Amino acid sequence: DAGVIQSPRHEVTEMGQEVTLRCKPISGHNSLFWYRQTMMRGLELLIYFNNNVPIDDSGMPEDRFSAKMPNASFSTLKIQPSEPRDSAVYFCASSLRRGVNTEAFFGQGTRLTVV
Amino acid sequence: GNSVTQMEGPVTLSEEAFLTINCTYTATGYPSLFWYVQYPGEGLQLLLKATKADDKGSNKGFEATYRKETTSFHLEKGSVQVSDSAVYFCALSDGNNRLAFGKGNQVVVIP
Repeated sequence: DAGVIQSPRHEVTEMGQEVTLRCKPISGHNSLFWYRQTMMRGLELLIYFNNNVPIDDSGMPEDRFSAKMPNASFSTLKIQPSEPRDSAVYFCASSLRRGVNTEAFFGQGTRLTVV
Repeated sequence: GNSVTQMEGPVTLSEEAFLTINCTYTATGYPSLFWYVQYPGEGLQLLLKATKADDKGSNKGFEATYRKETTSFHLEKGSVQVSDSAVYFCALSDGNNRLAFGKGNQVVVIP
């Protein structure tokens, strides 16, 4: 398996523009997570899907952020409009939920820079 | 809520030195505990895990023991190599498999 695939790897955009980050989880995994990593806050969980259904989006910072999972093999994280403080590395992770012993597999991340 | 605390600051040490990174946690119930490693420009990779009290996770010479009495999961390696230079994250998993991470520790191994 190719692992969790994220695109793009790097994104530079101007303030106010819409940004869409993409994630393809590992085939067969039923849980998907979006995390944001910054120097100040470390790794923050933004949203969590189980079987394509959003379970917990309490980490989504504002209404400018939205996430979808239309099917088991694809998810998007959208920021509209983007702001400089959204600059961070965004990670997608997937896992196979079975009990509490499962590990999460991470993608390589998307480094977002909003200027 | 669940949380993980890692020791402050980067860790710099010489090759073949002994490495310890402290991790303590706060959680309800009986979480699973993990150490993840992040190499430059990459995502996080699972290094080791433990799912119940007194379990010892080990991988690539690294070890950590799940200590319920001290709510700790300290990471150790007896002899580090330059290739071990990375950021190390302690994490716990709740009943919904959500991971709560510590802030991470940058480890720099000098030849």
